[in-house]
Amino acid sequence: EVQLLESGGGLAQPGGSLRLSCAASGFTFSSYDMTWVRQAPGKGLEWVSVISGSGLITYHADTVKGRFTISRDNSKNTLYLQMNSLRAEDTAVYYCAKGGGPDSSSWYDYWGQGILVTVSP
Amino acid sequence: DIVMTQSPDSLAVSLGERATINCKSSQSVLYSSNNKNYLAWYQRKPGQPPKLLIYWASTRESGVPDRFSGSGSGTDFTLTISSLQAEDVAVYYCQQYYSTPSFGPGTKVDIK
Repeated sequence: EVQLLESGGGLAQPGGSLRLSCAASGFTFSSYDMTWVRQAPGKGLEWVSVISGSGLITYHADTVKGRFTISRDNSKNTLYLQMNSLRAEDTAVYYCAKGGGPDSSSWYDYWGQGILVTVSP
Repeated sequence: DIVMTQSPDSLAVSLGERATINCKSSQSVLYSSNNKNYLAWYQRKPGQPPKLLIYWASTRESGVPDRFSGSGSGTDFTLTISSLQAEDVAVYYCQQYYSTPSFGPGTKVDIK
């Protein structure tokens, strides 16, 4: 059974940092692209970042480029999102999701339960 | 960036009746080299993450009941629930993966 479990969320101050983790199990982690998607309060789903199975290729949304970094440790079956220079508008529930398709532009066939990140003084 | 819109914002359908949700992309998500539409549909129930229903616009994910179907091409797509069940009450989202992924705003489905 595929499981994705996020951790590392919580309260951060504007300008601060947090690192999210997503522990994966039930599939060959290194074979799949992984993605972070977020949903701010009262807003829609927003794609944040994607990383290839090897970890060599990454893409970030313009709204987080230069501030957030996606990475993975295939030996630990874990996905990360390093979030720096946090802003109030980064407040959201963050989901890790497994790519279901053949490349980085894909649908998502499994999602974690989500982790709340709140950016506030 | 491709902007996704959905209609209606919400709908209420009697049990056993058909529910139809529309999704429109600001540009075509049909990739000519493989003739595939880069569009997915998700169901989201309160307190849960999205669940994949459909990809390639019309391919049902394994385990999804066959009352769910997807259709359309280019910029206009439809998710149809042929006979609404109580457990189908949820918000439904479309997503394009033709370019930088983006989601529609969602359509809430309730029982009339």
